[in-house]
Amino acid sequence: DTAVSQTPKYLVTQMGNDKSIKCEQNLGHDTMYWYKQDSKKFLKIMFSYNNKELIINETVPNRFSPKSPDKAHLNLHINSLELGDSAVYFCASSPLTGTGANVLTFGAGSRLTVL
Amino acid sequence: AQSVTQPDIHITVSEGASLELRCNYSYGATPYLFWYVQSPGQGLQLLLKYFSGDTLVQGIKGFEAEFKRSQSSFNLRKPSVHWSDAAEYFCAVGGNRDDKIIFGKGTRLHILP
Repeated sequence: DTAVSQTPKYLVTQMGNDKSIKCEQNLGHDTMYWYKQDSKKFLKIMFSYNNKELIINETVPNRFSPKSPDKAHLNLHINSLELGDSAVYFCASSPLTGTGANVLTFGAGSRLTVL
Repeated sequence: AQSVTQPDIHITVSEGASLELRCNYSYGATPYLFWYVQSPGQGLQLLLKYFSGDTLVQGIKGFEAEFKRSQSSFNLRKPSVHWSDAAEYFCAVGGNRDDKIIFGKGTRLHILP
C-alpha cells in the first residue's frame, strides 16, 4: 500500500490548458504539502494544508489552486498552463502541525510537461 | 528567514571511498535539520534528522551527520559508499514555529566503479 500516492505520474499538455494533479495519503497525517521541483532539481514549497485548512501559501501565481476535500487528500489545479509550469510536482504529508520538526513522506512525483 | 546552502552541485567518489556532503543553514533559532535522498524518478526519502541532543546522528543506509552550531553546518558522511548510493541528496531546515521546511538545491552524487 503506497503511503502517499499521486496521479497522474506523467502529464503532457498544451499551453493554456487546465489540469489537475491528485494526491492521497493513507498515513493518518494531519498536514499535506505541494512542492515544485524545477529542471535544476530545486525543491520549493508551494502550499501546506492542515486538516483541510490552508496554512502555507507561498508566492505562487493564483493560477494554482489547491483543494483539500478531507485531510487525506490534497489536489492541485492549475489554470492556463504556461511553459514555466513544466516541473515535477511532489505531494508530501507529515504528522505534526505548527512545527518544522516534521518528517515529510513524499509521493513519487507528477512530471508535468507544458508544450 | 531560513535558508540552506549546499555548496557542491556534483560530487564524484569511487566505490568504497568515504563521503562527505556539505550543508550550511541559516535560521534565527534552534533549527530542525534533515537529510533526504532522491533516487532517479523517485520521491524523497528521509535519511536522518536532528532535533536536539547528541549532535552526531545516525541514519539509514549507513549514513551519519554531525550538527555543528558554531559553523551552522550539518554535513552528511558515510565511511564507504556503494554504487547504489548514487542519487541526489538534499539538506533541509525547519523551524519551531511553522510547518515550512526549506530545502537546499541538492548535491548529485556520482559513484565510480
